[in-house]
Amino acid sequence: DAGVIQSPRHEVTEMGQEVTLRCKPISGHDYLFWYRQTMMRGLELLIYFNNNVPIDDSGMPEDRFSAKMPNASFSTLKIQPSEPRDSAVYFCASSTTGAGNQPQHFGDGTRLSIL
Amino acid sequence: AQSVAQPEDQVNVAEGNPLTVKCTYSVSGNPYLFWYVQYPNRGLQFLLKYITGDNLVKGSYGFEAEFNKSQTSFHLKKPSALVSDSALYFCAVNSGGANNLFFGTGTRLTVIP
Repeated sequence: DAGVIQSPRHEVTEMGQEVTLRCKPISGHDYLFWYRQTMMRGLELLIYFNNNVPIDDSGMPEDRFSAKMPNASFSTLKIQPSEPRDSAVYFCASSTTGAGNQPQHFGDGTRLSIL
Repeated sequence: AQSVAQPEDQVNVAEGNPLTVKCTYSVSGNPYLFWYVQYPNRGLQFLLKYITGDNLVKGSYGFEAEFNKSQTSFHLKKPSALVSDSALYFCAVNSGGANNLFFGTGTRLTVIP
């Protein structure tokens, strides 16, 4: 059974460039989550979707960040323009329908470096 | 408001000894509690969860955790540590009905051969 798939695994780009991170959730999972992990701030929830609809985007740091889920099998997180402080590991996770009693399954992340 | 505290940034234990990684939580309502493990350059992997029922929960790789309502704790334990258990461990919580997890800051476990 395939897990959550993220691409690319690593991204290095220059400040000001647009960055797009991609995620394919586990088939049949209704919830999709985007997290950011840094040494300073730990693991932060950025946004999550239910049935492709954004439910809570209060963790998105600023307007430079946007996320979409055009269908049940694909989501993107976009940063435009990127800044060095956006450097982090970005994780996507998915889970099945439930009242919060199901575990989230994480991808292996995208390590983003903004120069 | 929901929150999780992992009071130890680092735990060192000798191989073969029992290990404990501590977690306390604060929620309004009944807690759903989770433990995850993260190995280098990998995503978080689910270890175990407490939803309801028996306070002692068993999970993957020989880990277990004990839910203590009066102390609002959910400590992770293993009777005999392996070097391969060295990793970053996260406790997470939500209250019934919520769909987003609140994660602790993580505890780095090092098992010394």
